[in-house]
Amino acid sequence: GNSVTQMEGPVTLSEEAFLTINCTYTATGYPSLFWYVQYPGEGLQLLLKATKADDKGSNKGFEATYRKETTSFHLEKGSVQVSDSAVYFCALLIYNFNKFYFGSGTKLNVKP
Amino acid sequence: NAGVTQTPKFRILKIGQSMTLQCAQDMNHNYMYWYRQDPGMGLKLIYYSVGAGITDKGEVPNGYNVSRSTTEDFPLRLELAAPSQTSVYFCASSGQTPELYTGELFFGEGSRLTVL
Repeated sequence: GNSVTQMEGPVTLSEEAFLTINCTYTATGYPSLFWYVQYPGEGLQLLLKATKADDKGSNKGFEATYRKETTSFHLEKGSVQVSDSAVYFCALLIYNFNKFYFGSGTKLNVKP
Repeated sequence: NAGVTQTPKFRILKIGQSMTLQCAQDMNHNYMYWYRQDPGMGLKLIYYSVGAGITDKGEVPNGYNVSRSTTEDFPLRLELAAPSQTSVYFCASSGQTPELYTGELFFGEGSRLTVL
């Protein structure tokens, strides 16, 4: 089947620390991969995406590379800020079924 | 441009009551979705629609119903509410290809429902 597995949180970091949030997936087809972010009290919003193997998605200093050989799409940021505190969701899309599959989310807390 | 609007934002129900969560989008999107988010869990798809008059079940449809009479609106009906339906509900929409294939799901702010 199709599923997404994320590292459990919460992840607590000091400002300017390096961030990695692991994401692996299983898919019956050739998926597109995404990271969504949910700030407190808000809905999810797209952070970045990659549609084929070896693509790198990037936005707001965050990056993730589509690794087909390891079925992974890990999220990284070199220097986190307090404003990055949020819940991050990894997701995949299987084109033929028009359905998104979300991971369980990883809460990030950044301390000043 | 309002995007995706959900109402109400908060609601408390008693066991056995019924209610409708409203969702409207003003982006002329064909695809609309209802998800629920339980504490510490990911989003689970309840129902989705690929256009007016067309709906289909997602992963967790039991206890819910939907309709899609217009492109803009996609209400979610809870019949005979149960404590297991306590959750945060998100409505989302997406346009047809190529927007859908780029993964741009637009979410509402969520509706927090408690069943006591």
